[in-house]
Formats: sequence, structure tokens, C-alpha cells
Amino acid sequence: EVQLLESGGNLVQPGGSLRLSCAASGFIFSSYAMSWVRQAPGKGLEWVSTITVSGRDTYYSDSVKGRFTVSRDDSTNTLYLHMSSLRAGDTAVYYCAKDYDWLLFFFDYWGQGTLVTVSA
Amino acid sequence: EIVLTQSPDFQSVTPKEKVTITCRASQTIGSSLHWYQQKPDQSPKLLIKYASQSISGVPSRFSGSGSGTDFTLTINSLEAEDAATYYCHQTYSLPLTFGPGTKVDIK
Repeated sequence: EVQLLESGGNLVQPGGSLRLSCAASGFIFSSYAMSWVRQAPGKGLEWVSTITVSGRDTYYSDSVKGRFTVSRDDSTNTLYLHMSSLRAGDTAVYYCAKDYDWLLFFFDYWGQGTLVTVSA
Repeated sequence: EIVLTQSPDFQSVTPKEKVTITCRASQTIGSSLHWYQQKPDQSPKLLIKYASQSISGVPSRFSGSGSGTDFTLTINSLEAEDAATYYCHQTYSLPLTFGPGTKVDIK
């Protein structure tokens, strides 16, 4: 059974940093691209970032480019999102999501999400 | 950036009724359009891929159609468990974008 378990969400002050983790199991993690998608409270879904197999390539939305860094550790089946210079607009539930196949950019499994709140 | 619009924003439907949700892209995206269902306090679930392709384990009452700029998600014979928000999602080009969602409520 595929499982994605995010952690690391917290209350952080504007300008602060945070690292989110996503522990994956139930599939060959190293064979799939992985993504982060966020959802602000009461709002819709917003793509944040995607990392390809082996971490060779990374992609970001304009709203986080230069502030967020996605990475992966295939030895521990873990996906990360390093977030810095956080703003109130980054407040959201952050989901990690597994690519449907090698790199198709849509998602067949999602984690339960972890809440990041940026507030003074 | 490709903008996706959905209509309606909200729909209140009686069980067994047919539901139709439309998604329009700001430019042609071929069939690179996918649909998700998100129930309250849950993460999204993939319903349809590439506009009309079914997903294993998804009930057959869910179907999709369309190509280019106009797409439709149809729920035949709505069931109470289908109360959710439905999102379309394009993978034609980066940045990936989602529609604003259509909330389906059960009368």
C-alpha cells in the first residue's frame, strides 16, 4: 500500500524558515518524480514544486522560486521541501504527491498534508 | 501560465441526479487535463486522467470528456458519498495549474 506521510509543519514568523519532510513507502520511491502541492485555508490547490527521478531536475512555481528548495533522499525514501523567507501567503496545508508514472506531472497518491502557518 | 476556469462554482444535487462540471483552459492543452475529487478534510484523489481515461478503483459513474480547451466531468447517478470539491488540473505546460474547484453538495 502506498503511503506518504508529511511532517514538519509549524507556526513560523514571517521571514523564517522551515523544512518539510515526506516519508514514502509502498512503492519504489526512486523510480518516480515527486511533487509538493499546497492549499491555503478554504482555498484551492496550488502546485509548488516537482523533483524528477534521482533529483536531476527541479521545477518551481514563480511564487516560491528562489525561496523554496525541493530535494529527495532515495536511500531513506524521503522527500523534502526547504522553505525560507516565508510570507503570510505561504500559509497552507502542504501535500506531497507521487507522480502517476516516471514524470507525467499528475498525481495518483497524496499524503494527508502538513500545516504551515506564517504569522507574527 | 494556463488558467483553468470551472463552472459552476457550486452545485446542490439530489441523489441519483446527473452532475456535469466543466473546465475551460485559457489555451489549447490537448488532452493533458486530469480530474481530482477532494472530500472535506481529506487529500485529493485522482478520478480521471488525460481528459477521459478511467482510473482503477474509481466508480464507473465518473467519466470525463473533451479536448483542446473545453472539458467535462460527469457523475452519473450521484451518490451521497460524492459530496466533495472537484478540481481540474492541466499538465500541458509549466507551471502546473488547477481549476478553482466545483463544490458538489447533496440536497
